[in-house]
Amino acid sequence: EVQLVESGGGLVKSGGSLRLSCAASGFTFTNAWISWVRQAPGKGLEWVGRIRSKTDGETTDCAAPVKGRFTISRDDSKSTLYLQMNSLKTEDTAVYYCTREVGYTFDYWGQGTLVTVSS
Amino acid sequence: EIVLTQSPATLSLSPGERATLSCRASQSISNYIAWYQQKPGQAPRLLIYDASNRATGIPARFSGSASGTDFTLTISSLEPEDFAVYYCQQRSNWLALTFGGGTKVEIK
Repeated sequence: EVQLVESGGGLVKSGGSLRLSCAASGFTFTNAWISWVRQAPGKGLEWVGRIRSKTDGETTDCAAPVKGRFTISRDDSKSTLYLQMNSLKTEDTAVYYCTREVGYTFDYWGQGTLVTVSS
Repeated sequence: EIVLTQSPATLSLSPGERATLSCRASQSISNYIAWYQQKPGQAPRLLIYDASNRATGIPARFSGSASGTDFTLTISSLEPEDFAVYYCQQRSNWLALTFGGGTKVEIK
């Protein structure tokens, strides 16, 4: 069974930093592309960024609103994905989901972790 | 950025009725559209990819179609568990994946 379990969310002040983790199981993590998607309270879905597999260069792409502030990385030995979030803004408040990305579509999702940025 | 506009914002229907949800893209995206279902307090679930292909385990009452930049998700006969919010997502611009604003299907 495919499982993605996010952790690391919480309350942080504007300008602060937070690192989210996503532990994966039930599939070959080393071959997977993984994305982060977020959802502000009561709002729709917003793609945050992705990391490709090692065989595909382990390169990352990030959406414009977070570029230069968020960094995505992975540890294949632990089947874990990370989202390092710096210079956080109140508009970054959201539930953050990690998702397996196949052909730029998201086929499995974690349950999400809430990040709240206070002013 | 490719903008996806979903309509209507809310659809009020009864179980057993047919639901037709629309998603319009701001430019041509071929058939590169996916549909997701999200229930309160849950993560989204992939229903349809590439406009008309059902994801694994998705019931046949869910179908998708495309016409130019207009995409449709149809639920042929609503089951109680189908009342949820539905989002479309484009993968044509893979550097800037975007979602529509969602359509809520509620019980009439």
